[in-house]
Amino acid sequence: GAGVSQSPSNKVTEKGKDVELRCDPISGHTALYWYRQSLGQGLEFLIYFQGNSAPDKSGLPSDRFSAERTGGSVSTLTIQRTQQEDSAVYLCASSFARASNQPQHFGDGTRLSIL
Amino acid sequence: AQTVTQSQPEMSVQEAETVTLSCTYDTSESDYYLFWYKQPPSRQMILVIRQEAYKQQNATENRFSVNFQKAAKSFSLKISDSQLGDAAMYFCAYRSSNNNDMRFGAGTRLTVKP
Repeated sequence: GAGVSQSPSNKVTEKGKDVELRCDPISGHTALYWYRQSLGQGLEFLIYFQGNSAPDKSGLPSDRFSAERTGGSVSTLTIQRTQQEDSAVYLCASSFARASNQPQHFGDGTRLSIL
Repeated sequence: AQTVTQSQPEMSVQEAETVTLSCTYDTSESDYYLFWYKQPPSRQMILVIRQEAYKQQNATENRFSVNFQKAAKSFSLKISDSQLGDAAMYFCAYRSSNNNDMRFGAGTRLTVKP
């Protein structure tokens, strides 16, 4: 497709389990972002990838969170030993370049529910 | 750190009328970019309009326009001739020219009454 694709759309899992969320950015976009949106809240920056540079992990809330971007395209956000406070919508976005005026194109997000 | 404040959790407008959504931000930087995003129930964030801080002229996109007051650090969104499809959460966002992340406000839920 032409847009940012995220999977799964919804994920329900038990506390303590590990989860993987996938993001497939728009072809040709070198910048990729992960955000977390808790219920009724704005977006919280998690991590940023730009080309082959080291990712900016400054927004990751704990060491249970990690992300990879293989081949400069698809990215996976992993949450280990999930907690109930991890329940949120996780949004991925991509853009052409790092330049600040480039708009970010968002996927539909993954709604994660921790029981 | 930059913060973005949207003081109106909810707003309502009659179809065909005009509504203004407020946004203020706090920064010590002079070069940055401001955005308004729309998030309908489908969850996808859609860019509505953007403004470069170095431009004095307010950005306009069809029925959407902004009132950018740099000294006051204010960036309000005006929606003219409101349509039912405008109903959504609206997020104001700030991005500096130096950082990788974008700071979002908490959002304003806009309801459009027929």
